[in-house]
Amino acid sequence: SYELTQPPSVSVSPGQTARITCSGDALAEQYAYWYQQKPGQAPVLVIYKDSERPSGIPERFSGSSSGTTVTLAISGVQAEDEAEYYCQSADISGIYVFGTGTKVTVL
Amino acid sequence: QVQLVQSGAEVKIPGASVKVSCKASGHTFTGYYIHWVRQAPGQGLEWMGRIDPTSGGTDLAQKFQGRVTMTRDTSITTAYLVLSRLRSDDTAVYYCTRWGIVGASNYFDSWGQGVPVTVSS
Repeated sequence: SYELTQPPSVSVSPGQTARITCSGDALAEQYAYWYQQKPGQAPVLVIYKDSERPSGIPERFSGSSSGTTVTLAISGVQAEDEAEYYCQSADISGIYVFGTGTKVTVL
Repeated sequence: QVQLVQSGAEVKIPGASVKVSCKASGHTFTGYYIHWVRQAPGQGLEWMGRIDPTSGGTDLAQKFQGRVTMTRDTSITTAYLVLSRLRSDDTAVYYCTRWGIVGASNYFDSWGQGVPVTVSS
């Protein structure tokens, strides 16, 4: 099995940009997906296929990829963006994995 | 609208089994894999496996092989997860979610409300 590694926490002031990285060998060949989870709630998709944004997700959420690392950026961070964020990917054999999770704190 | 509605909370003793259901509506049941994801208290998301609603075939995370069974009943568009030989560290919220098989929605775009499972003697 493979792993996806994220920083445990990121702190950012309102209006600034938060960047969350996710690293794993499989990301060089497989797409990454990002989910936002607030306490007591199910996860919500915010980015798919590395950089695509689902309908209804604010434009301040963006994704990028470089080699074995993908990055979720939240520009103009708002208080409502405070949450846990997870990256996720899958291998071609049908095995999926979530990243270790990053807690975003808005100062 | 798309809904995944799960069964209610469970409390089990160590060594027992638990069965959790996930009723899908608002979409073609056979058009989406049903995946199971769990989250222990204060911990991250953990992928357990998926089931193909058409064939019933499953792919499981290695750590759950031999202890997890996933099934479905297409007549009532419901998927099931059975976790056997429960241990205290199986205490978690168990979610079902869907992933499109072909075409759009090739991501986890809809989730059940989660089922808290507590394993305690």
